[in-house]
Amino acid sequence: GNSVTQMEGPVTLSEEAFLTINCTYTATGYPSLFWYVQYPGEGLQLLLKATKADDKGSNKGFEATYRKETTSFHLEKGSVQVSDSAVYFCALSGDNNDMRFGAGTRLTVKP
Amino acid sequence: EAQVTQNPRYLITVTGKKLTVTCSQNMNHEYMSWYRQDPGLGLRQIYYSMNVEVTDKGDVPEGYKVSRKEKRNFPLILESPSPNQTSLYFCASSWGQGRGNYGYTFGSGTRLTVV
Repeated sequence: GNSVTQMEGPVTLSEEAFLTINCTYTATGYPSLFWYVQYPGEGLQLLLKATKADDKGSNKGFEATYRKETTSFHLEKGSVQVSDSAVYFCALSGDNNDMRFGAGTRLTVKP
Repeated sequence: EAQVTQNPRYLITVTGKKLTVTCSQNMNHEYMSWYRQDPGLGLRQIYYSMNVEVTDKGDVPEGYKVSRKEKRNFPLILESPSPNQTSLYFCASSWGQGRGNYGYTFGSGTRLTVV
């Protein structure tokens, strides 16, 4: 079945550091790919998405590129802020009418 | 404001006492889903619904029931809660499904404790 594997956390960075959170997937066909963010005490929010190979999703300085050849969708940001501290989830939606989530990666950004 | 509303936010109950967690969306979404979030396990799908009167099991449906009598509402029912159902629950809705899913809108969550 479809599945998502993302790097384990927690990840701790200093403000203005470069962020990469790795995400790889297994799926039949061509799923849509997503990153969600969960701030403390809140529900998940859609951060960005990509629906086909080589698409780049972007939002709030975050980017991720749909790489079919490596089945990856890594999240990147050039300069993180304290306010980016949250849990980040990679997800895919494929042919099975469900959305599969990774286990989540907790990011802490220190001033 | 487009949103998914869950109630209650917090609930402590005793084993065996039936409860319902409500979920309502105001975006005319056809697809709705319930997840539970547990430490180390991420989000696991309980049930989903592709439209009114159409529901199906997710990965962890045991001990739960749902109904979809109206497009906007998708309540989660625990007929006889047990301590292993202590968890954080999220309702979500979306346009489209499968590869056509545009991305979920999530509710704020319901933290359930069963003692």
